[in-house]
Amino acid sequence: ETGVTQTPRHLVMGMTNKKSLKCEQHLGHNAMYWYKQSAKKPLELMFVYSLEERVENNSVPSRFSPECPNSSHLFLHLHTLQPEDSALYLCASSQDPAGGPYNEQFFGPGTRLTVL
Amino acid sequence: AQKITQTQPGMFVQEKEAVTLDCTYDTSDPSYGLFWYKQPSSGEMIFLIYQGSYDQQNATEGRYSLNFQKARKSANLVISASQLGDSAMYFCAMREGQLSQGGKLIFGQGTELSVKP
Repeated sequence: ETGVTQTPRHLVMGMTNKKSLKCEQHLGHNAMYWYKQSAKKPLELMFVYSLEERVENNSVPSRFSPECPNSSHLFLHLHTLQPEDSALYLCASSQDPAGGPYNEQFFGPGTRLTVL
Repeated sequence: AQKITQTQPGMFVQEKEAVTLDCTYDTSDPSYGLFWYKQPSSGEMIFLIYQGSYDQQNATEGRYSLNFQKARKSANLVISASQLGDSAMYFCAMREGQLSQGGKLIFGQGTELSVKP
């Protein structure tokens, strides 16, 4: 595997289900990100992990719970979601969390989530 | 106020012609970076090109070039010799400052480019 991978690619869940999204980066990067992309809206940054510590949480509802067990893996645990949470969830990683403005992010293919 | 503005929701271009996708930004931070990403229908965001606020020359990467006009706060993407595979959503993004100091990547709403054969 190369780059950033995400599983599953598609997920349909009911509002009472609990599921997890997985992201893995094979680039040796130190920072990882979760984004939400809803239809006709800009990407919204949800969480940032730098060296396995959460450095940003953009007022995301508690029904989304991130986990970063090591610098290569990032999870997004989902429970009691709402239909408006249906979106494309993108994971990204970057090289140097302490770097300057140039800190290119490499994205995974995303998980298309549908909440019924 | 929006930090990143892409005023063209959709654009059409004839194959082999050049096209310019507009992006304007708003920041008071003297140190920032501007990025363009391509998102095909598969969903993956693909990095295209980067321009730093202190870079003296416009960035170029193959068929992609960035028309950076700092005083006007614009960072338009120019794609030369369009190909059918260029059809996708294109996002302009900006990072202010450093990630460790709270700097984050802010995205525009995107422009959908369609290349006609």
